[in-house]
Amino acid sequence: ETGVTQSPTHLIKTRGQQVTLRCSSQSGHNTVSWYQQALGQGPQFIFQYYREEENGRGNFPPRFSGLQFPNYSSELNVNALELDDSALYLCASSLTTSGLATDTQYFGPGTRLTVL
Amino acid sequence: AQTVTQSQPEMSVQEAETVTLSCTYDTSESNYYLFWYKQPPSRQMILVIRQEAYKQQNATENRFSVNFQKAAKSFSLKISDSQLGDTAMYFCAFRSYFGNEKLTFGTGTRLTIIP
Repeated sequence: ETGVTQSPTHLIKTRGQQVTLRCSSQSGHNTVSWYQQALGQGPQFIFQYYREEENGRGNFPPRFSGLQFPNYSSELNVNALELDDSALYLCASSLTTSGLATDTQYFGPGTRLTVL
Repeated sequence: AQTVTQSQPEMSVQEAETVTLSCTYDTSESNYYLFWYKQPPSRQMILVIRQEAYKQQNATENRFSVNFQKAAKSFSLKISDSQLGDTAMYFCAFRSYFGNEKLTFGTGTRLTIIP
């Protein structure tokens, strides 16, 4: 069984730039959720993708956007980067069957984004 | 909206001792899930234990067990025979039974196991 993978591991960008983070879900999973974890804080829900559509969104501005592909992998895009976007970005995958979600999300190792 | 509170920012305990981490939450829902995740310095969030709110029995996974008090909205984690590998940040998380699977996390407890 393949676990959740994320790339890249680390990324440094400057304010105003755009960034794309990638996530491959665990085999057998069809739902991907993204979280932002600022230093010293718990993760905050950004959004979730199921069947290639956004299925719930947290309190994040529209410059945070995402995609899910037919193989269930996902991208998180952030435009017009701000200093406060510096954080660990976590991807989690899970299985949704007939519209009902199973209870447990499994996380990837994260991407550390630094905005200068 | 649900909230999760972890009131112990840091804890430390001697190896082989027992430690209990506290978590309280606020919700108006009657069915939901609760989780404890561990995040070691490697950053990977690892599931420790889960509890279904409609089950009265407290969940147990080897050395890890919970004390789930639904009326008090309390969900503490007990680690028995603590090991050096238990050193990590521990996060309590809430998930609604219905709807999307958004997890609401607490701010975490940094646990250090002392040799």
